Amino acid sequence: ETGVTQTPRHLVMGMTNKKSLKCEQHLGHNAMYWYKQSAKKPLELMFVYNFKEQTENNSVPSRFSPECPNSSHLFLHLHTLQPEDSALYLCASSQVATVASYEQYFGPGTRLTVT
Amino acid sequence: GQQLNQSPQSMFIQEGEDVSMNCTSSSIFNTWLWYKQDPGEGPVLLIALYKAGELTSNGRLTAQFGITRKDSFLNISASIPSDVGIYFCAGQLLYSGGGADGLTFGKGTHLIIQP
Repeated sequence: ETGVTQTPRHLVMGMTNKKSLKCEQHLGHNAMYWYKQSAKKPLELMFVYNFKEQTENNSVPSRFSPECPNSSHLFLHLHTLQPEDSALYLCASSQVATVASYEQYFGPGTRLTVT
Repeated sequence: GQQLNQSPQSMFIQEGEDVSMNCTSSSIFNTWLWYKQDPGEGPVLLIALYKAGELTSNGRLTAQFGITRKDSFLNISASIPSDVGIYFCAGQLLYSGGGADGLTFGKGTHLIIQP
């Protein structure tokens, strides 16, 4: 595997379900991010992890819970979601503290539908 | 939060034509990036710009970091069918210690090439 991978690619869940999204980066980066992409809206930053430590929570509801067990893996745990949470969830990674710190590389995303 | 104004929202062009799109902000940005997103995929980094006035090319793509640090443009020369997609500008605000910071994205320019 190369780059940034995400599983599953598609997920349909009910409002009472609990599910998790997984992201893995094979680039040797030390920072990982979750973004939400909704129709007709810009990509919205959700969480930032720098060396496994969460450094930013962009006012995301508590029904979204991130986890970063190591610098290569990032999870987004979902529970009691709302239909308006249906969106494409994108994971990205970057190499912090270099000239290219801001070059973030994205995975293919998980298309989430909440019914 | 910060917003980037990206225009045009969509473009209908003939194959072989040149394309130009731009992003503006009311805030000073430290870095500008341009991404392309194909349907069902995550954004792919095209060009990264780090200095005011910087002009950078990547094949038929050319992007510039505005001298005021509040704007950037992307040009595509001699468009081909595979250029179809959504192009996003993204920026990193001026204050940064080279750490992991989220990007601010524009709403995208949808490029459609007519045969």
